[in-house]
Amino acid sequence: DTEVTQTPKHLVMGMTNKKSLKCEQHMGHRAMYWYKQKAKKPPELMFVYSYEKLSINESVPSRFSPECPNSSLLNLHLHALQPEDSALYLCASSLPKGVSTDTQYFGPGTRLTVL
Amino acid sequence: GESVGLHLPTLSVQEGDNSIINCAYSNSASDYFIWYKQESGKGPQFIIDIRSNMDKRQGQRVTVLLNKTVKHLSLQIAATQPGDSAVYFCAENRDSGGGADGLTFGKGTHLIIQP
Repeated sequence: DTEVTQTPKHLVMGMTNKKSLKCEQHMGHRAMYWYKQKAKKPPELMFVYSYEKLSINESVPSRFSPECPNSSLLNLHLHALQPEDSALYLCASSLPKGVSTDTQYFGPGTRLTVL
Repeated sequence: GESVGLHLPTLSVQEGDNSIINCAYSNSASDYFIWYKQESGKGPQFIIDIRSNMDKRQGQRVTVLLNKTVKHLSLQIAATQPGDSAVYFCAENRDSGGGADGLTFGKGTHLIIQP
């Protein structure tokens, strides 16, 4: 099973709202990732968690706040977003480097629209 | 600029023909490369990967070739089918030195299968 699930599938929020995106995997992966994908563009890395600790933050604005409560879950908390933050937010997971193949498997994404 | 890129934004082929999608990368230290397929409204789907100690790897109807001398990666799809229509991304690991690396994606090639 190489399934990564993400909820919700679609989210519309105003600039003053607070919302959260959720990601879950049960493959025993200990590395999890958030990517942002604008229309007709490639995914861009936002955050990397390794063994539930934040290891990479690609200079993402603080209105995006990641959280990894356990090895199966990854959240992305959103607050005071801007319309230009509208995009497809993708979660991925992999085994940590050096354990085995570190292929990243992606979820279906959450389509976020900020009004 | 981007460390991974693609030569063609769109590739149109006849059903049943073979397709070749190309990718150039600039980071000679990259040691792991992946091809993903992304259909409209979905997350990237793993197709095949290759490590820098290999020149060629074959899967079912797909072959990835790696030429480290000219920093070039290609994906060959044999006997293309309508279901192969999608955007194809090459990606390389960012080699952060930590326990998990994010990926840098190329721009993507939209493969169109003509009946």
